[in-house]
Amino acid sequence: DAGITQSPRHKVTETGTPVTLRCHQTENHRYMYWYRQDPGHGLRLIHYSYGVKDTDKGEVSDGYSVSRSKTEDFLLTLESATSSQTSVYFCAISDSQETQYFGPGTRLLVL
Amino acid sequence: GEDVEQSLFLSVREGDSSVINCTYTDSSSTYLYWYKQEPGAGLQLLTYIFSNMDMKQDQRLTVLLNKKDKHLSLRIADTQTGDSAIYFCAESTDTGRRALTFGSGTRLQVQP
Repeated sequence: DAGITQSPRHKVTETGTPVTLRCHQTENHRYMYWYRQDPGHGLRLIHYSYGVKDTDKGEVSDGYSVSRSKTEDFLLTLESATSSQTSVYFCAISDSQETQYFGPGTRLLVL
Repeated sequence: GEDVEQSLFLSVREGDSSVINCTYTDSSSTYLYWYKQEPGAGLQLLTYIFSNMDMKQDQRLTVLLNKKDKHLSLRIADTQTGDSAIYFCAESTDTGRRALTFGSGTRLQVQP
């Protein structure tokens, strides 16, 4: 987890409220990713970024948006949280190689 | 399409070898990875193998790749209780986005 932090680490929110999760890296890696982890599904890609202001959708992007205004920060926003978005969210980073390194995760509970 | 499959559970005795298996479907995979996740923690990269290799050894870990059968395995020699965790297989394909496709994980339980 060195060089990657996620905040908050835990959050409880109510259905319909906006939520923003932050991923911060100190490695100056170009690529950043948001995954969600749910039982029986492994990790699934939500969105990714290949540079400042360059983002694209993953396989489970509905209900999520992202922004990357600086190399070191990648934000994931749930515009209006739903119970189906209760999950553990992981950020990952990668440089020009293809190996990804993961942050410690954020546990989100939507009531 | 991309799909990665793993068995859900493996139980071994301390000191034995563990073999965790994975199958994938995308023949254009460039790298294949093994990650370890301990309870409440993130994913820790254990090892990876490039698709033109058939074996890689790193201390107690041996990765075998059968590209013809699209089968990947992770062998842990002299398994310890500290190896108890969930192990994820993942593949990376040369799609430009450099994202990984993960299996659903194998829970390894090491009994003393």
